[in-house]
Amino acid sequence: EAGVAQSPRYKIIEKRQSVAFWCNPISGHATLYWYQQILGQGPKLLIQFQNNGVVDDSQLPKDRFSAERLKGVDSTLKIQPAKLEDSAVYLCASSLTLSGANVLTFGAGSRLTVL
Amino acid sequence: EDQVTQSPEALRLQEGESSSLNCSYTVSGLRGLFWYRQDPGKGPEFLFTLYSAGEEKEKERLKATLTKKESFLHITAPKPEDSATYLCAVPNDYKLSFGAGTTVTVRA
Repeated sequence: EAGVAQSPRYKIIEKRQSVAFWCNPISGHATLYWYQQILGQGPKLLIQFQNNGVVDDSQLPKDRFSAERLKGVDSTLKIQPAKLEDSAVYLCASSLTLSGANVLTFGAGSRLTVL
Repeated sequence: EDQVTQSPEALRLQEGESSSLNCSYTVSGLRGLFWYRQDPGKGPEFLFTLYSAGEEKEKERLKATLTKKESFLHITAPKPEDSATYLCAVPNDYKLSFGAGTTVTVRA
């Protein structure tokens, strides 16, 4: 089966600019996650969707980050305006159901560099 | 608060030199402990899930074990292709909380 698709793979922007990342999960996976992974750290959950509804966005910096999953399939994560500390890899993952005990399948990630 | 702590941060091994990685957790009512492997430039890839103390799982040169407070990932006679960052994670409600990982480098 096709894996989790993410684009772009790399993005370099100046601080205060905006950027958007796209994710297409595995077909049939109801739950979609966006994680932020800063160099040398483990992935940190930003937002979790169940179909097109938000389950958890407690760690999302809502003054600058937004995410949507309008039709319950693909998703977009936006950062506006970007800060230097947003430099990281943004990982999208999906799983069959909402259970935290489910195996997550990750995409390759989108690497953001903010100058 | 930190729920998952991994040690060491980095491990350099000679090919064939067996070693172990540690993952300690503080979540009560554990509903599984997950091990993932992450290669440079890629997303984490699932390895194992352990559910109860005493459980063990193996895959090629890797064996994961679980106690009530920690998990170990044993690498037996590693090869250069085992070089990667190994992440452990525990569920917290509907979320999966990851440790910072152990980066393993195996030299030929």
